[in-house]
Amino acid sequence: NAGVTQTPKFRVLKTGQSMTLLCAQDMNHEYMYWYRQDPGMGLRLIHYSVGEGTTAKGEVPDGYNVSRLKKQNFLLGLESAAPSQTSVYFCASGLGQGYNSPLHFGNGTRLTVT
Amino acid sequence: KQEVTQIPAALSVPEGENLVLNCSFTDSAIYNLQWFRQDPGKGLTSLLLIQSSQREQTSGRLNASLDKSSGRSTLYIAASQPGDSATYLCAVSTDSWGKLQFGAGTQVVVTP
Repeated sequence: NAGVTQTPKFRVLKTGQSMTLLCAQDMNHEYMYWYRQDPGMGLRLIHYSVGEGTTAKGEVPDGYNVSRLKKQNFLLGLESAAPSQTSVYFCASGLGQGYNSPLHFGNGTRLTVT
Repeated sequence: KQEVTQIPAALSVPEGENLVLNCSFTDSAIYNLQWFRQDPGKGLTSLLLIQSSQREQTSGRLNASLDKSSGRSTLYIAASQPGDSATYLCAVSTDSWGKLQFGAGTQVVVTP
């Protein structure tokens, strides 16, 4: 049972380049989330999804787009990377509304934008 | 806006001592509070989840308390071991959509 898998694990981009981060979960969870973690600031929510085909903005959505075409996958896109997007990105999934259960996190993608 | 604070930012204790980690939040209208452990270069592992109607949760050497009225939670780790060295994160959920507001974490080092 893999849980939540994120690819790639590391990436270096130049300013202005684009990329997509992939998150896959095999727990049949309805809800999925993208967070970023910066030193001294904890994790901040970028976007989330409450089911296949749905997406919603979190606390820091600017510069990112997401898609949830399949229930098990949640993609995070950076169309034009900026140095301020250097961070560690975490994907998480959960059972959904009405379930008081913990989120499951992937191991993160470390992104550096030069 | 919900603010979550963890003090201290770092903590070092000798092996065998009990660990006490603090978390405070500004809005008492929470859905649940969760404690996570994060090892260097790794993701977050859920330790305990306390529902808003509960006062505490226990798992092995770990015990977490919740006082909504004062906006505080405390994570106790009994008889600490070097393997407990990690960063501990507290997070609160303020709605049923599962979105979490995180504290910045407490980095713990347990010395042999």
